[in-house]
Amino acid sequence: DGGITQSPKYLFRKEGQNVTLSCEQNLNHDAMYWYRQDPGQGLRLIYYSQIVNDFQKGDIAEGYSVSREKKESFPLTVTSAQKNPTAFYLCASSMVTSRTGELFFGEGSRLTVL
Amino acid sequence: AQSVTQPDIHITVSEGASLELRCNYSYGATPYLFWYVQSPGQGLQLLLKYFSGDTLVQGIKGFEAEFKRSQSSFNLRKPSVHWSDAAEYFCAVGRGYGGATNKLIFGTGTLLAVQP
Repeated sequence: DGGITQSPKYLFRKEGQNVTLSCEQNLNHDAMYWYRQDPGQGLRLIYYSQIVNDFQKGDIAEGYSVSREKKESFPLTVTSAQKNPTAFYLCASSMVTSRTGELFFGEGSRLTVL
Repeated sequence: AQSVTQPDIHITVSEGASLELRCNYSYGATPYLFWYVQSPGQGLQLLLKYFSGDTLVQGIKGFEAEFKRSQSSFNLRKPSVHWSDAAEYFCAVGRGYGGATNKLIFGTGTLLAVQP
């Protein structure tokens, strides 16, 4: 079945450590996204990528980094510079050529910084 | 700037009752509008979308939504709610990017509880 796989589902880290969240898709989508979800704030865009080896900052990119070396993969690193990293992180993908912009989401990764 | 407002943070309805979740948007051009549903601890699933044509759109799980340009609204409705509809619902508007509206702006969500 085609879809988006995020791992790990739950992650605990100590303050000051970098962590990397994995996102893999087999939908053959060109575009991939990372969103952060906090209670009462909806989803906010961190980074997005429309094509391999290229990515753009979203609305809250500070303290995060990404790479897009393969079409299928878009890992997100939460660095120690992110002041409040505890959140639920969602990866999504879409067809670049889609006029309607429908996003397909993974099941999310919950990061807790102790 | 584009924005989406969901005025109701939390709604409780009885099973079998009708449901309407409100969504208002701010966008300069014709918007691309979406409703997504999220079960606890899960990702988001698309319920329905509007980008042109008939202003009443049908989605999955018996949901529908009506686009009203004069009111800048895109309210979600269901005639009879089932216990399995308990979830969080997000309205979103698409921002244009090279012709593809992939960068969505999400509302803050409405948490729906269904009581027996």
